[in-house]
Amino acid sequence: ELKVEQNPLFLSMQEGKNYTIYCNYSTTSDRLYWYRQDPGKSLESLFVLLSNGAVKQEGRLMASLDTKARLSTLHITAAVHDLSATYFCAVNSGGSNYKLTFGKGTLLTVNP
Amino acid sequence: DADVTQTPRNRITKTGKRIMLECSQTKGHDRMYWYRQDPGLGLQLIYYSFDVKDINKGEISDGYSVSRQAQAKFSLSLESAIPNQTALYFCATSDGSSRFDNEQFFGPGTRLTVL
Repeated sequence: ELKVEQNPLFLSMQEGKNYTIYCNYSTTSDRLYWYRQDPGKSLESLFVLLSNGAVKQEGRLMASLDTKARLSTLHITAAVHDLSATYFCAVNSGGSNYKLTFGKGTLLTVNP
Repeated sequence: DADVTQTPRNRITKTGKRIMLECSQTKGHDRMYWYRQDPGLGLQLIYYSFDVKDINKGEISDGYSVSRQAQAKFSLSLESAIPNQTALYFCATSDGSSRFDNEQFFGPGTRLTVL
């Protein structure tokens, strides 16, 4: 059974600081997704990572994937208040199944 | 107009009532999913459908049923609602073609409260 663990689950940051959210998963997978959710809202797709060593960047967020270590990171550079949200990683269960298993999410709060 | 819509957006009902949540999409995707979100638990997959004739149980299907009426419509039913089914429910869609990433796109959610 695929298990996906995110840490930390809660993260309070000051504006301008850098931090990393980690996503570990328990079994081999060929793709990993990062989503953002604002309070009471839907999930917005941020990144799709398809191969070992994949790195994607959008603004102050950068995501990477190490399939050998079964680890993805979401790095936040010079945080701003608008980045406050819950971030989820989700891992494909493998092959053509395309079922996603989600982590519990990281609630990020960026303080002025 | 939103690509993935859900109705109703909010619903309060009583224990034992039958409830149907509906999802429609205009993205032309073949795959549709129903998830449940509880605080601190991430999203859990209830049912998924890869086409009109292919419906599969997810992690937490007990107490739920689904119907794929057309490629664009996927409904979730609670036959006899109970309080621990109070949650936020999301529908999602994806394109199963191999040339795409199977990225899932989510609807706005339905907040269901069972009293």
